[in-house]
Amino acid sequence: QLQLQESGPGLVKPSETLSLTCTVSGGSISSTNYYWGWIRQPPGKGLEWIGTISYSGSTYSSPSLKSRVTVSADTSNNQFSLKLSFVTAADTAVYYCARLPGGTQKSWYFDYWGQGTLVTVSS
Amino acid sequence: DIVMTQSPDSLTVSLGERATINCKSSQSVLYSPNNKNYLAWYQQKPGQPPKLLIYWASTRESGVPDRFSGSGSGTDFTLTISSLQAEDVAVYYCQQYSTNLYTFGQGTKLEIK
Repeated sequence: QLQLQESGPGLVKPSETLSLTCTVSGGSISSTNYYWGWIRQPPGKGLEWIGTISYSGSTYSSPSLKSRVTVSADTSNNQFSLKLSFVTAADTAVYYCARLPGGTQKSWYFDYWGQGTLVTVSS
Repeated sequence: DIVMTQSPDSLTVSLGERATINCKSSQSVLYSPNNKNYLAWYQQKPGQPPKLLIYWASTRESGVPDRFSGSGSGTDFTLTISSLQAEDVAVYYCQQYSTNLYTFGQGTKLEIK
């Protein structure tokens, strides 16, 4: 059974960089077809897609966050990561990592999710 | 970006009754070459991550009860729960994936009357 687990600091200071890692077990992030993504949810609000990395290393990110987002993969540890720079209080949210089936039909929905981790931006 | 708009924002339905949630996209998410609508539905219960219910607008994810169904094409979609159960209380989201810039609807909160 595929499992994803987010990890990283729960508190980040304004203007600093938020860094999170998603550790995947029960499957390889290098498996052909699959994509891996980050989604966030501010307290009491809806879902916002942040960015995605493909099995081949291609990355995509939300236009509203693109200048501040880096998504990368560490295949040796079966992990992928998110870096969000110059954070403000508006970046306070639960951050989820998830898998996208991908494939030739571009199945870019999220079928497996981590439990999420709350990151608070505050001095 | 494709904007996804759900209606209503909240919904109260009696146990055993039908619940209907709508989702409208600002442009078509139907890809003509394969006749697939790039639209998914998720259920999120308090304190939990979202759970995939439906993809390709109408394909139920494995293990999802058959009281959940999705319909629609192009820009207008519907999630229907045919007979509401107590465990269906949740927030429901639609998501388009017709481009590699995915967007979610704002969510619909479903409660029991």
